[in-house]
Amino acid sequence: QKEVEQNSGPLSVPEGAIASLNCTYSDRVSQSFFWYRQYSGKSPELIMSIYSNGDKEDGRFTAQLNKASQYVSLLIRDSQPSDSATYLCAVTGGATNKLIFGTGTLLAVQP
Amino acid sequence: EPEVTQTPSHQVTQMGQEVILRCVPISNHLYFYWYRQILGQKVEFLVSFYNNEISEKSEIFDDQFSVERPDGSNFTLKIRSTKLEDSAMYFCASSVPGSNQPQHFGDGTRLSIL
Repeated sequence: QKEVEQNSGPLSVPEGAIASLNCTYSDRVSQSFFWYRQYSGKSPELIMSIYSNGDKEDGRFTAQLNKASQYVSLLIRDSQPSDSATYLCAVTGGATNKLIFGTGTLLAVQP
Repeated sequence: EPEVTQTPSHQVTQMGQEVILRCVPISNHLYFYWYRQILGQKVEFLVSFYNNEISEKSEIFDDQFSVERPDGSNFTLKIRSTKLEDSAMYFCASSVPGSNQPQHFGDGTRLSIL
């Protein structure tokens, strides 16, 4: 059973701080890794994708991937109250690139 | 920016009835997916569809479920003989051809079985 594990939180950070979200996955052959943001009652919204080891930066977001440790993380710099949401880690599995999601980490940015 | 469109946004149905959830994927996308999310739980893969046939399905996607692409734009999920436990958010997603391409999600259909 391929699994994606996340701490469910809530992770509470003050406005302007760095939020660090972590994810581990079980399938070593996974090739693609995604972070989605999901506001309550809404659909997942793609934030970042990462495919190779190392860091990938996009604005205030940085994704980090370590395939040897089967670990992927998301850093959010200068956190804003509007960043408060559930962050879903997703990993592709199988020939059709289906997404396997973690349970998500609830982030609360305190003004 | 092009987006995946789902209708209806909310569907309320009596147990035992059939429902059809509709999706219009992004126009140049060729891979289509259905996922569901039971309230408070993780997003779960149901089925993937490519070249007018199912390419992969999960254990959840049993004989009660079917998918169809009846024309060049719509992608539907049919649930026959609905059960209380089918109540969930159902998300359609699509992606362009090629491995590692990100999937873009529609706003979802909230299905409530009474």
